[in-house]
Amino acid sequence: DQQVKQNSPSLSVQEGRISILNCDYTNSMFDYFLWYKKYPAEGPTFLISISSIKDKNEDGRFTVFLNKSAKHLSLHIVPSQPGDSAVYFCAASVRSGGSNYKLTFGKGTLLTVNP
Amino acid sequence: GAGVSQTPSNKVTEKGKYVELRCDPISGHTALYWYRQSLGQGPEFLIYFQGTGAADDSGLPNDRFFAVRPEGSVSTLKIQRTERGDSAVYLCASSLKRGGSYNEQFFGPGTRLTVL
Repeated sequence: DQQVKQNSPSLSVQEGRISILNCDYTNSMFDYFLWYKKYPAEGPTFLISISSIKDKNEDGRFTVFLNKSAKHLSLHIVPSQPGDSAVYFCAASVRSGGSNYKLTFGKGTLLTVNP
Repeated sequence: GAGVSQTPSNKVTEKGKYVELRCDPISGHTALYWYRQSLGQGPEFLIYFQGTGAADDSGLPNDRFFAVRPEGSVSTLKIQRTERGDSAVYLCASSLKRGGSYNEQFFGPGTRLTVL
């Protein structure tokens, strides 16, 4: 039973355009969300996070939006660059709970940014 | 500073053998985690250490899997009587704990285990 779902296995965009990666979750206890980026043969690298008390968090070209009522979050990358090509994982945790260390990951979305 | 390191990077073994996977966390990080990533899946939580003790081992699939962190730094994941289904990338991560909350987890490059 996937508690964090990334329904698009892959996404292809043109350099300079916006990339939008989506993530849905089913566990209403999740209150902290993270995006990780993963290159081949490397471990996931933290990108950006958002607490459930916010609906938007921005860091340079990366913005994460959270819609709690829809249990949906998205990562926007603007403008997209070829170096952004990687697998992007959405992850969630119950930060206010006793097990706030445990991350639950989606299956990932492979982003390809074409020059 | 150095990131999380894991050795070996690749391990090929035969069914039924015993393997050990090592993780060196970032210096000063008190929390250490093991995850397993099977093909086409995201990382799945296995076990979490705070200091030397395993605070949560609920993700270990069965009693063939065991992990230790005797001095609160390096950790070893041990798998007995390996099975083909154990083939996966085993990821280690570490983090600081501040004010009761866990910061973002920093991952190592993983160990790719192949059981023939």
